[in-house]
Amino acid sequence: AQSVTQPDIHITVSEGASLELRCNYSYGATPYLFWYVQSPGQGLQLLLKYFSGDTLVQGIKGFEAEFKRSQSSFNLRKPSVHWSDAAEYFCAVGQNSGGSNYKLTFGKGTLLTVNP
Amino acid sequence: NAGVTQTPKFRVLKTGQSMTLLCAQDMNHEYMYWYRQDPGMGLRLIHYSVGEGTTAKGEVPDGYNVSRLKKQNFLLGLESAAPSQTSVYFCASSKGLAGGDGAKNIQYFGAGTRLSVL
Repeated sequence: AQSVTQPDIHITVSEGASLELRCNYSYGATPYLFWYVQSPGQGLQLLLKYFSGDTLVQGIKGFEAEFKRSQSSFNLRKPSVHWSDAAEYFCAVGQNSGGSNYKLTFGKGTLLTVNP
Repeated sequence: NAGVTQTPKFRVLKTGQSMTLLCAQDMNHEYMYWYRQDPGMGLRLIHYSVGEGTTAKGEVPDGYNVSRLKKQNFLLGLESAAPSQTSVYFCASSKGLAGGDGAKNIQYFGAGTRLSVL
């Protein structure tokens, strides 16, 4: 069964600092990988996704993520954080072939606080 | 663009009461999902549907029922609410098989329903 681990429950950074949120997954083959963001009181919004090809993917709001097969990781990065980035971030994994390939497994989330 | 719409946005129930949460999507998506979100637990799948007239159990289905009579709507029912069902409920939809390799996996979320059971 697929699983996702987000090791950091809560991260605090200063505005303008760089950011990296960690995500590790467990899956038998190359997965589909996603990062979603949830602002307070809102639903989840897709930041970026990896299906295949270039392992460095660009998303909205200046975010990027890198798929590293050898480390089973899909870490989210941003070079300079803005106060509006304060939110909760969820990593998710989906199957890419056959079977029950219509379900995503979500990590438990990382809450990002941005200090002025 | 409406996307995924959930009603109501807030609800307070007494233990033992029943209610239905409505999810509507206007993207002609095949697949729809109901999740609950609790602090420190992330999102947990309650039930899902891969097409009109079909439903299946997710990770935490007990105490909930669902129906998908129309492709665009997915209803979540609580027959006898319990305090343990106090949570934020999210509906999502995805293209499904019609969406091609990866796109079918992209889920689009509603804004959520905050439910308190006293």
